[in-house]
Amino acid sequence: AQKVTQAQTEISVVEKEDVTLDCVYETRDTTYYLFWYKQPPSGELVFLIRRNSFDEQNEISGRYSWNFQKSTSSFNFTITASQVVDSAVYFCALSEALGSSNTGKLIFGQGTTLQVKP
Amino acid sequence: ETGVTQTPRHLVMGMTNKKSLKCEQHLGHNAMYWYKQSAKKPLELMFVYSLEERVENNSVPSRFSPECPNSSHLFLHLHTLQPEDSALYLCASSQEAGRLEQYFGPGTRLTVT
Repeated sequence: AQKVTQAQTEISVVEKEDVTLDCVYETRDTTYYLFWYKQPPSGELVFLIRRNSFDEQNEISGRYSWNFQKSTSSFNFTITASQVVDSAVYFCALSEALGSSNTGKLIFGQGTTLQVKP
Repeated sequence: ETGVTQTPRHLVMGMTNKKSLKCEQHLGHNAMYWYKQSAKKPLELMFVYSLEERVENNSVPSRFSPECPNSSHLFLHLHTLQPEDSALYLCASSQEAGRLEQYFGPGTRLTVT
């Protein structure tokens, strides 16, 4: 079965520290997609990144970077020089197709609550 | 309006009331979703619509009734809810091709008294 595990329930860091959020997934599909979302206190999930299973290149976007490793079924997310505004719940997700339809659904991890203290 | 909007943002209702949640997407997507997020629980997928056809009902009780009149609008009709139904209800949309990122609305914070 498809599964996403975010073993870190809560992480607390001091501003300017680097922090890595772990994500491990299980899937039988040979082609799949992985995602990261951010949920600030306001509640709205904000899409951060999508990664295809056939593209293992790491990606950097400003202070954010993602490390995708198929060999360990991991898709970790690092925030460099964290800021108070990074405080949020972060979700990792895996896509799963829905039967014969063209629509997929996302399997979400439990989420990691990141608190960045000033 | 841009993105995905949801109304109302907050709702308090009694167990005998009937109310509806509304979601509208302005992204030209063809798939829409309802999720439930309870305190300290992961996101639970409730319903999926693709091209206005329901393609997934994730064992949701019949007191929740979805409606998708067109690809831009999605409703969740509520009746005779229970206090444990209190949660944040999130709507999302994505392209019909599936497996792509979903864009979420701000959610409706529902409290059942």
